[in-house]
Amino acid sequence: EVRLLEAGGTLVQRGGSLRLSCAASGFAFSSYAMSWVRQVPGKGLEWLSAIRGSGRSTYYADSAQGRFTISRDNSRNTLFLQIRSLRAEDTAVYYCAKSVSADADDAVDYWGLGTLVTVTA
Amino acid sequence: IVLTQSPGTLSLSPGERATLSCRASQSLTSSRYLAWYQQKPGQSPRLLIYGASTRATGIPARFRGSGSGTDFTLTISRLEPEDYAVYYCQQYDSSPQGGFTFGPGTKVDIK
Repeated sequence: EVRLLEAGGTLVQRGGSLRLSCAASGFAFSSYAMSWVRQVPGKGLEWLSAIRGSGRSTYYADSAQGRFTISRDNSRNTLFLQIRSLRAEDTAVYYCAKSVSADADDAVDYWGLGTLVTVTA
Repeated sequence: IVLTQSPGTLSLSPGERATLSCRASQSLTSSRYLAWYQQKPGQSPRLLIYGASTRATGIPARFRGSGSGTDFTLTISRLEPEDYAVYYCQQYDSSPQGGFTFGPGTKVDIK
């Protein structure tokens, strides 16, 4: 059974940094691209970033370019998202998601339950 | 690429047909780069359709995706009580002008 468990969401001050993690199990982690998607409570989905299975190629939304860094540790079956210079508008639930294939440019077929990041003034 | 979904809300009775539209601001380089997701309150999204028309594992046949270029459609042939949810389309064309954007969503609620 595919499982994705995000962690690291917390209350953080504006301007601070945070690293989210996503522990994956139930599939060959290094064979699949992974993504981060966020959702402001009550609002729509916003794709942030994706990374190929090898970790060698990464993709970012314009809104995430420069402050967000996606990475993965295939030896630990874990996906990461580093966020710097946090802003109030970064307050959201952050989901990790598994791609249908090794290609980052593919749909995502499994999602975690999400982790809530709240940025305070 | 910006995705526009219509209508914003669709009010239908169980058993009725639902037709949801997703329009891209420019033509996708391939229809394989379009997916549909369903999200119910308090839950994570669920993949319904990828490659514009391929149903994901376990998705009932009443869900059908179609379209190409800039215009895509999700059709639910006969609404079941569990189908009332928000539906998002997503394009994942990684060409420089692409990105992996989501549409704003269509809410299907009970009439």
